[in-house]
Amino acid sequence: DAGITQSPRHKVTETGTPVTLRCHQTENHRYMYWYRQDPGHGLRLIHYSYGVKDTDKGEVSDGYSVSRSKTEDFLLTLESATSSQTSVYFCAISESDAQLNTEAFFGQGTRLTVV
Amino acid sequence: GENVEQHPSTLSVQEGDSAVIKCTYSDSASNYFPWYKQELGKGPQLIIDIRSNVGEKKDQRIAVTLNKTAKHFSLHITETQPEDSAVYFCAASYSGYSTLTFGKGTMLLVSP
Repeated sequence: DAGITQSPRHKVTETGTPVTLRCHQTENHRYMYWYRQDPGHGLRLIHYSYGVKDTDKGEVSDGYSVSRSKTEDFLLTLESATSSQTSVYFCAISESDAQLNTEAFFGQGTRLTVV
Repeated sequence: GENVEQHPSTLSVQEGDSAVIKCTYSDSASNYFPWYKQELGKGPQLIIDIRSNVGEKKDQRIAVTLNKTAKHFSLHITETQPEDSAVYFCAASYSGYSTLTFGKGTMLLVSP
């Protein structure tokens, strides 16, 4: 398995509180991604990074921010959590971008519940 | 942006039968089409992929076909086994984002 660790694996938080999810990789891959998975919606891209300090938005980026200060770590922050952000969050990594047809490896996921 | 439609959303088959999952995409510039399998409680894992210069690819019991003209691609699983039960996602690369766009998934249930 690719060396991807997501933390925490489970979290329950209250509406309005800030939450940070961490993705750590040991593969030295350039690209890192955050997806959310919801019933009926599949996997939707939140943000991605193509290098240290280089990030871009995905299709569902509102309410989320990211940071990548080191190659191995990609943080996803919910500045003020809302119930609509209750979801399972997956981090993924790849050596290069999708156009170069490289495999994306996924972490085990973080189940976040906002009450 | 890219839009990927996946059908059916659920599929139940008997062990030994074949299963087919179909996807369509909207961006004619897309050139990479992977399929992922997600087992319960785990992250998705790549099982097979196909590039736009190939019409079909096989790997043991799994095959993928691509029709660029019609902009659709399909996953075929033969001689299904209970361990094939999982959620399957198709995806396509979108030239604008250089990232993958996923279909909504198909839950495959293989009954013994």
